[in-house]
Amino acid sequence: GIQVEQSPPDLILQEGANSTLRCNFSDSVNNLQWFHQNPWGQLINLFYIPSGTKQNGRLSATTVATERYSLLYISSSQTTDSGVYFCAVGDSNYQLIWGAGTKLIIKP
Amino acid sequence: GAGVSQSPRYKVAKRGQDVALRCDPISGHVSLFWYQQALGQGPEFLTYFQNEAQLDKSGLPSDRFFAERPEGSVSTLKIQRTQQEDSAVYLCASSSSVAQFFGPGTRLTVL
Repeated sequence: GIQVEQSPPDLILQEGANSTLRCNFSDSVNNLQWFHQNPWGQLINLFYIPSGTKQNGRLSATTVATERYSLLYISSSQTTDSGVYFCAVGDSNYQLIWGAGTKLIIKP
Repeated sequence: GAGVSQSPRYKVAKRGQDVALRCDPISGHVSLFWYQQALGQGPEFLTYFQNEAQLDKSGLPSDRFFAERPEGSVSTLKIQRTQQEDSAVYLCASSSSVAQFFGPGTRLTVL
């Protein structure tokens, strides 16, 4: 099956810093989503991005499908950005294979 | 409702008990998913419904796990004869197209 690797596993930054999170996947996908799980466990859908680039406020994402990776950029990070960021991919429109996540801690 | 809701939020069961976890999806969402999330890991797919039809149950870990969505809206995940390894957060998500929207989860602890 498809393998998903996220890096780095942990990231600690000061408020205001920028960060780049990476997701590598082992096979062609037609479904890729980025999620943020806050410290209370709630999963929030950030982007559906099987290819191309999208931006939403301070967050943006780029997927290069031919090279089997996706990047999530967080600019001017805030303490509320803390949590775990997951990349999930799939070759169908429903079943997602999830990475292990990047745990982000933003210090004030 | 405005989002996906799940109940109960927390459930403690003695080993061997049966439990039922409820998911209320976003109104009008055709697709509904159940996931299991162990501590420190990403969610793992359990099962998928399109309306009332269970199209994929390949992720259910054993025949003690059963899910239903009889009227194509609310769904129930039932676990019979719970075991300690069933302790996890059970997440429900719904979707109208591709993007999945998650509920807050039910944290199940089996003693």
